[in-house]
Amino acid sequence: EIVLTQSPGTLSLSPGERATLSCRASQSVSSSYLAWYQQKPGQAPRLLIYGASSRATGIPDRFSGSGSGTDFTLTISRLEPEDFAVYYCQQYGSSPRVFTFGPGTKVDIK
Amino acid sequence: QVQLVQSGAEVKKPGASVKVSCKVSGYTLTELSMHWVRQAPGKGLEWMGGFDPEDGETIYAQKFQGRVTMTEDTSTDTAYMELSSLRSEDTAVYYCAADLVGATMFDYWGQGTLVTVSS
Repeated sequence: EIVLTQSPGTLSLSPGERATLSCRASQSVSSSYLAWYQQKPGQAPRLLIYGASSRATGIPDRFSGSGSGTDFTLTISRLEPEDFAVYYCQQYGSSPRVFTFGPGTKVDIK
Repeated sequence: QVQLVQSGAEVKKPGASVKVSCKVSGYTLTELSMHWVRQAPGKGLEWMGGFDPEDGETIYAQKFQGRVTMTEDTSTDTAYMELSSLRSEDTAVYYCAADLVGATMFDYWGQGTLVTVSS
């Protein structure tokens, strides 16, 4: 079963700065099956990126995803105040059929 | 637009069972692949199981095998998750999460249901 590791655990940045979040898989993951979510306190997660690089409906273009194989990246080009949140990567594995989330990266205000 | 509306918070004693519902609107349940994800206080997201359209079966995370049952009532477009033999570690917010059949991510989420297990 694939394990996802996210780094850093916490990223302290200022509004306007660029955020680069990493998601590493213990085995190769199909890019089609890699997604990113944003979660704010007291709210359900929100899908940001699917298929490693496609933005979900309504997601601003300052969010971008990239990567393949075992290394994936979520980039926020210029942090807005509403972007300070926890971000999770998620993969779907077809053998065995499981969905796995990474432990999350918290982006907080410096 | 798809909306998932979950049942309210529950308080249960250790050893009891809990059943959480998730009502779908905007689509029918048969158009969605419905899953359940939980989040313990201050912790990350944990997938519990859901409907796999590849073979029309419900698949469960190994951790919950034998203790969780996920069902669907297509006549009312409502999904259910029942967790039995509750222990304090099951205290968490339980989310239903879905996407169109065949997708491998979760575009739609319920608001979450807090289940507290306490004696």
